Amino acid sequence: TAGITQAPTSQILAAGRSMTLRCTQDMRHNAMYWYRQDLGLGLRLIHYSNTAGTTGKGEVPDGYSVSRANTDDFPLTLASAVPSQTSVYFCASSAQGSNYGYTFGSGTRLTVV
Amino acid sequence: GENVEQHPSTLSVQEGDSAVIKCTYSDSASNYFPWYKQELGKRPQLIIDIRSNVGEKKDQRIAVTLNKTAKHFSLHITETQPEDSAVYFCAASKGTYKYIFGTGTRLKVLA
Repeated sequence: TAGITQAPTSQILAAGRSMTLRCTQDMRHNAMYWYRQDLGLGLRLIHYSNTAGTTGKGEVPDGYSVSRANTDDFPLTLASAVPSQTSVYFCASSAQGSNYGYTFGSGTRLTVV
Repeated sequence: GENVEQHPSTLSVQEGDSAVIKCTYSDSASNYFPWYKQELGKRPQLIIDIRSNVGEKKDQRIAVTLNKTAKHFSLHITETQPEDSAVYFCAASKGTYKYIFGTGTRLKVLA
């Protein structure tokens, strides 16, 4: 089934450790996004990529990095996790950017202790 | 700066009644307005969208209206059912790199 896959589903991470959240799509969408969702704060954009080889910062990029080596994959890395990064992380993709609907992954629930 | 205000934050309706969620945007250059439904513990899913050259769009029990002059758009759900219970997010985009999301409306349909 075509779509967007995130891994892991959930993770408990010790503060100070690094972690990479994986995101893969098979729809050949050009644009990809990482959002975090905290209770009561809706969806906040961390980083985005309009096309393979390019990335940009969103509203809350500090403490996170991304890469877009190819069309399908858009990993999100936390270099040194802190408790405030406890959140649900959603990856999303769009065929042609923000003038089209997004397809979201199923999310990664991350707890930093 | 760019902003999307969404109201109400919570909404309870009786099964079979209609529900209306309203969003106001600040950037007059916005030209694409999607709506997402997020069930508890699930991913957001696109349910309907509208572009600035259209005033209204319907899909079965769901409709979206757009008033460009007033810079607001609304989601209308008729004949609500328990499975409509979810958080609904509006968004606005002007074709740059991102949406501006609203803060969400928690809809509860009471049986």
